[in-house]
Amino acid sequence: AQSVTQLDSQVPVFEEAPVELRCNYSSSVSVYLFWYVQYPNQGLQLLLKYLSGSTLVKGINGFEAEFNKSQTSFHLRKPSVHISDTAEYFCAVKGEGGADGLTFGKGTHLIIQP
Amino acid sequence: DGGITQSPKYLFRKEGQNVTLSCEQNLNHDAMYWYRQDPGQGLRLIYYSQIVNDFQKGDIAEGYSVSREKKESFPLTVTSAQKNPTAFYLCASSRIDRGSNQPQHFGDGTRLSIL
Repeated sequence: AQSVTQLDSQVPVFEEAPVELRCNYSSSVSVYLFWYVQYPNQGLQLLLKYLSGSTLVKGINGFEAEFNKSQTSFHLRKPSVHISDTAEYFCAVKGEGGADGLTFGKGTHLIIQP
Repeated sequence: DGGITQSPKYLFRKEGQNVTLSCEQNLNHDAMYWYRQDPGQGLRLIYYSQIVNDFQKGDIAEGYSVSREKKESFPLTVTSAQKNPTAFYLCASSRIDRGSNQPQHFGDGTRLSIL
C-alpha cells in the first residue's frame, strides 16, 4: 500500500514570487508520481508525472517537480506564480504493477496574493 | 474532442433514496474509476474497473454500487446504505499498457447533496 503526505494545507505567496509545494510518499514498491491541479467546482487536470528516467520533470503552466528517491519526495515548484495559479494542488502515487487507482494526498491550497 | 462527461453536475437526494451518477468516456480507455472528494480529505477511491463486466472495490465501497456493461460507461449508484453521501464525486479513466502506468483523466464531477 502507498500513502501520500502533503505537508501544507495552505500556501500563501505573492504574485511573481517562487513557490514550492511539498509532497512526501511511502511505499513498499517502486512508484509512479503525479501532480494534479483542481480549480473550483471542476475536475482534476494533470500538471506533470514521473514514471522513470530523469528525476526532474517539467509540466504545464511552467511547473516542474523533482523526484528524490532517498527522501521519498516529489516537491512541485514554479519560479514565478500568477493570480491564475490560485487552485488546489494534489500529489498522487501509484505502485508499480498496481491495478487499482491512485492514492492522493489531502491537497494544498495555493493562494496568490497581489 | 475526447473526454469524460459526468452528469448531472448537481444532484439532490432525499433520505432513503438511491441515486445514480453517470460517467461516459470517449477516450477508448479500458480502465475507469470513481473517487469521492470531501473538503480537506483529498480523493478516496470507491470502485474501479479494468474491463467490461468486471469491477473491484476501492477503499470506501460500502454504500455504493457500480456496473460496467459498456466500455464507455461506468455509472455509480449511491444507495440508501451510504450514511453520509454529501460529497463531490469524480470519475476518471486511463489506458492500461503493459509495463507502464498511464495518468488518469478526470471528468468535471457531480456534487451530491442531501435534502
